[in-house]
Amino acid sequence: AQSVAQPEDQVKVAEGNPLTVKCTYSVSGNPYLFWYVQYPNRGLQFLLKYITGDNLVKGSYGFEAEFNKSQTSFHLKKPSALVSDSALYFCAVRDRGSARQLTFGSGTQLTVLP
Amino acid sequence: DARVTQTPRHKVTEMGQEVTMRCQPILGHNTVFWYRQTMMQGLELLAYFRNRAPLDDSGMPKDRFSAEMPDATLATLKIQPSEPRDSAVYFCASGLQTGGGTEAFFGQGTRLTVV
Repeated sequence: AQSVAQPEDQVKVAEGNPLTVKCTYSVSGNPYLFWYVQYPNRGLQFLLKYITGDNLVKGSYGFEAEFNKSQTSFHLKKPSALVSDSALYFCAVRDRGSARQLTFGSGTQLTVLP
Repeated sequence: DARVTQTPRHKVTEMGQEVTMRCQPILGHNTVFWYRQTMMQGLELLAYFRNRAPLDDSGMPKDRFSAEMPDATLATLKIQPSEPRDSAVYFCASGLQTGGGTEAFFGQGTRLTVV
């Protein structure tokens, strides 16, 4: 079985401050991990993914995420938030050894305050 | 700029009517997904196809929902008859699934309202 949890429904940060959006996962084997962003009335846009190799993954728009196997986490981070980063963020997981497709988290609404 | 195209963007229909949603995947992508997004359930995978063959539709209510890929450039999701609880945003996504680590590209969605 595979699952992903985003423990925070909402995150608010001030512009210019660092941001973190949390994600933890559960898989039987090893995971593929993804972050997507959704702007209002739009589809999901791919941000970044962890497949293998370096635990720190860099993605679009200055975002990065760190894979932590011992904590089964894949938190999304950005050193300096922009108001335009305000959106709904989804973490997703796929078990490498499974035929199942991506399982998405419930989403975290990020609000960056000017 | 390649993108997944979904039509219609919005659909309002009466309960009991048939609804057909269409999706044009990105050319060359061999995998097509249908997702449903609601406030209560979040993103749910309804069905997906690889090389036009349905691989998994376990997330779909079989009695009223059907998904097909008549050709490589068109995927359809049909609801017949529609019910108010089907109101949601339906997303199509496509990807080139050469392994498990390939990302999916999403369309802008069809917002369905059943009254």
